[in-house]
Amino acid sequence: AQKVTQAQTEISVVEKEDVTLDCVYETRDTTYYLFWYKQPPSGELVFLIRRNSFDEQNEISGRYSWNFQKSTSSFNFTITASQVVDSAVYFCALSDTGRRALTFGSGTRLQVQP
Amino acid sequence: NAGVTQTPKFRVLKTGQSMTLLCAQDMNHEYMYWYRQDPGMGLRLIHYSVGEGTTAKGEVPDGYNVSRLKKQNFLLGLESAAPSQTSVYFCASSQIAGEIQETQYFGPGTRLLVL
Repeated sequence: AQKVTQAQTEISVVEKEDVTLDCVYETRDTTYYLFWYKQPPSGELVFLIRRNSFDEQNEISGRYSWNFQKSTSSFNFTITASQVVDSAVYFCALSDTGRRALTFGSGTRLQVQP
Repeated sequence: NAGVTQTPKFRVLKTGQSMTLLCAQDMNHEYMYWYRQDPGMGLRLIHYSVGEGTTAKGEVPDGYNVSRLKKQNFLLGLESAAPSQTSVYFCASSQIAGEIQETQYFGPGTRLLVL
């Protein structure tokens, strides 16, 4: 069975601080995909990134960066110079090769204080 | 291009009532999913479909039924609503090409309250 663990339930930072959200996953599949989604207070799910298991290169998109380490089964997400608009719940998710459905972590609520 | 839409946005039911949630996508995706989100938890898979005319159970299917009569629509039915089904329901769709899984796109959600 697949599992995604986001051990940080809630993080509070002050604007302009850097923050890292942790994600650890378990799977028996050799091919899989990892995702991060953002859920702002309005409730919709916003796609942030998709990464396949064969691509361990770190990725940077503006203030966002992701660190994928297969050896530790982790896919961590860093926000540099956080802003109030980053306040949201962030979900890490893992797909399976059968149903192609997502297994979600329980989410990390990020609060960025001005 | 509306993406994934859900109807209704919010609904209040009494225990024992029935209702159908409608999901529609205009991206010609083969795969469609229904998830539920409860407070403090991530989304959990209720049912899914890998193509028109097919459906299958996810992790929490009890109390729900689904149908995919048209490729673009995926319906979620509650035959006899229970308070435990109070939740936010999300529909999603994605395209699959062999081993490659494209991004799963989500609808805006339906908030359901069962009294």
